Amino acid sequence: EAGVVQSPRYKIIEKKQPVAFWCNPISGHNTLYWYLQNLGQGPELLIRYENEEAVDDSQLPKDRFSAERLKGVDSTLKIQPAELGDSAVYLCASSLGQGAGDTQYFGPGTRLTVL
Amino acid sequence: AQSVSQHNHHVILSEAASLELGCNYSYGGTVNLFWYVQYPGQHLQLLLKYFSGDPLVKGIKGFEAEFIKSKFSFNLRKPSVQWSDTAEYFCAVRYNNNDMRFGAGTRLTVKP
Repeated sequence: EAGVVQSPRYKIIEKKQPVAFWCNPISGHNTLYWYLQNLGQGPELLIRYENEEAVDDSQLPKDRFSAERLKGVDSTLKIQPAELGDSAVYLCASSLGQGAGDTQYFGPGTRLTVL
Repeated sequence: AQSVSQHNHHVILSEAASLELGCNYSYGGTVNLFWYVQYPGQHLQLLLKYFSGDPLVKGIKGFEAEFIKSKFSFNLRKPSVQWSDTAEYFCAVRYNNNDMRFGAGTRLTVKP
């Protein structure tokens, strides 16, 4: 079974430029998560989707970050414009759905460097 | 606020030593508990999880963890570490509002 796929794996941009990350979850997983992981820290949730619906985006900085999951499968996370402090690893995870026993599986992440 | 604490930032052990990594979480009712591992250059992988039942959970690669409800703890243990266990270990807690919180991670270095 294929795992969570993310691209690109690495991205280097200058500040004020836009950037986008793509995620393809495990087949059949209805729930998709985007996390931010700073160096030396654990992942922090940015947004959670149940199918196409963003059910928790309370931690997403909406002035510059946006996300979409149009057909309830792939998802894109965008930053526009990027700031120096956005340098981090952006992780995507997926799970079957909420409820007892739900387990998240993570992709390899996209390491963003903003110069 | 819901939070997860991992007591050790960096642990250095020799091969065959025993390992215990601490994890405590803030009270929040019924929780699901996880340990994830991130080997160098690889993505986060599930090591073990606790949802209900026997509080002593066995995971992959000889790891186990014990849920002690009265202490809000879920410590990870391994009786004898190997060089290949060198990695970063993350404790995670899902609260009953579906909020998933991760600890800051513990970096384990095993010297051959």
